[in-house]
Amino acid sequence: DQQVKQNSPSLSVQEGRISILNCDYTNSMFDYFLWYKKYPAEGPTFLISISSIKDKNEDGRFTVFLNKSAKHLSLHIVPSQPGDSAVYFCAARRLQGAQKLVFGQGTRLTINP
Amino acid sequence: DAGVIQSPRHEVTEMGQEVTLRCKPISGHNSLFWYRQTMMRGLELLIYFNNNVPIDDSGMPEDRFSAKMPNASFSTLKIQPSEPRDSAVYFCASQPGPSNQPQHFGDGTRLSIL
Repeated sequence: DQQVKQNSPSLSVQEGRISILNCDYTNSMFDYFLWYKKYPAEGPTFLISISSIKDKNEDGRFTVFLNKSAKHLSLHIVPSQPGDSAVYFCAARRLQGAQKLVFGQGTRLTINP
Repeated sequence: DAGVIQSPRHEVTEMGQEVTLRCKPISGHNSLFWYRQTMMRGLELLIYFNNNVPIDDSGMPEDRFSAKMPNASFSTLKIQPSEPRDSAVYFCASQPGPSNQPQHFGDGTRLSIL
């Protein structure tokens, strides 16, 4: 039972354009969502998060949007840069109680010069 | 600031041997998590500790796996006996107290069981 899904295993975007990564979840108890970025041979690095009381959170070139009714979130990167090429993981958990993070399968983003 | 430190970075051993993975969390973080990453199952939580106490070990595959946190600055994940299907990358992560803070990951241990 995959509670967090990233349906696109890979995405290729031109440098300077917008990258949009998508994530769906099934557990309505999740109220805290995170995006992590991972380079080869390194651990995941925290990028940005959003709690369910918001529908948007922005940090520089990165914006996360949350649609609670659709149980969907997305990460927008504008403008995309070559250094953004990595695997991006969506994760979700409950803010109260168990701190167990559930991860999606990841999307490999490639930024083409 | 030092991040989460894991050792060894790579481990290659033969089936049946005992394997011990080590983790030093970020100082001041009071939650520690062990994850395993495989191609088939992605990143999955094995066990986590709050204030050195195991809270949820439901992700531990079987009795061959055990984890300890004897103090706030050290944790181990042990596999005994190891099997080829245990080959994976094992990550440790730590998190500060407030629940709206993210987990910070180490660079992982790549384990190969021959």
